Amino acid sequence: GIQVEQSPPDLILQEGANSTLRCNFSDSVNNLQWFHQNPWGQLINLFYIPSGTKQNGRLSATTVATERYSLLYISSSQTTDSGVYFCAVNQAGTALIFGKGTTLSVSS
Amino acid sequence: NAGVTQTPKFQVLKTGQSMTLQCAQDMNHEYMSWYRQDPGMGLRLIHYSVGAGITDQGEVPNGYNVSRSTTEDFPLRLLSAAPSQTSVYFCASSLGWGSGELFFGEGSRLTVL
Repeated sequence: GIQVEQSPPDLILQEGANSTLRCNFSDSVNNLQWFHQNPWGQLINLFYIPSGTKQNGRLSATTVATERYSLLYISSSQTTDSGVYFCAVNQAGTALIFGKGTTLSVSS
Repeated sequence: NAGVTQTPKFQVLKTGQSMTLQCAQDMNHEYMSWYRQDPGMGLRLIHYSVGAGITDQGEVPNGYNVSRSTTEDFPLRLLSAAPSQTSVYFCASSLGWGSGELFFGEGSRLTVL
């Protein structure tokens, strides 16, 4: 089946710093989503982005489907950005497969 | 819109007991699924449903049972709980099978003693 790899596995930042999280996938995909799991365990949708670029406030994401990767950018990070960021992909007619996540810690 | 609602949020069971985790969505989504999340393992698919009356197994289905009698509800049953089923369980739904944004419930933390 399709493989999803996220990097880096862990990231520690000072408040105000920028960061880039990467998601590589092993085959063409129909769907790609980024999620944030906050310290309380809630999984929050960030982007539905099978291709192209989207922005939402300080967060933006780019998926280059032909090269099988997606990037999540966090600018001017805040302590509330802490948590685990998951990338998930699927192909038509298959379930969403999750990467192992990037754990982000932002300190003030 | 409540979105995806899971109950209970916390549950402690003894080995061998049975229980049902409830999941309901009010978005008229055809696709519903159950995941479990364990440390270091990420999210793994247990069972899924592409519509009322249709269910199928995911990656880790053993020890779990599901049914989908209505579009809105997708309960997960543990028939005889084992300590290996201690985990956080998430229900999720999307408009279609393999397409559309997936929305998660808030999770149910289950401990089996």
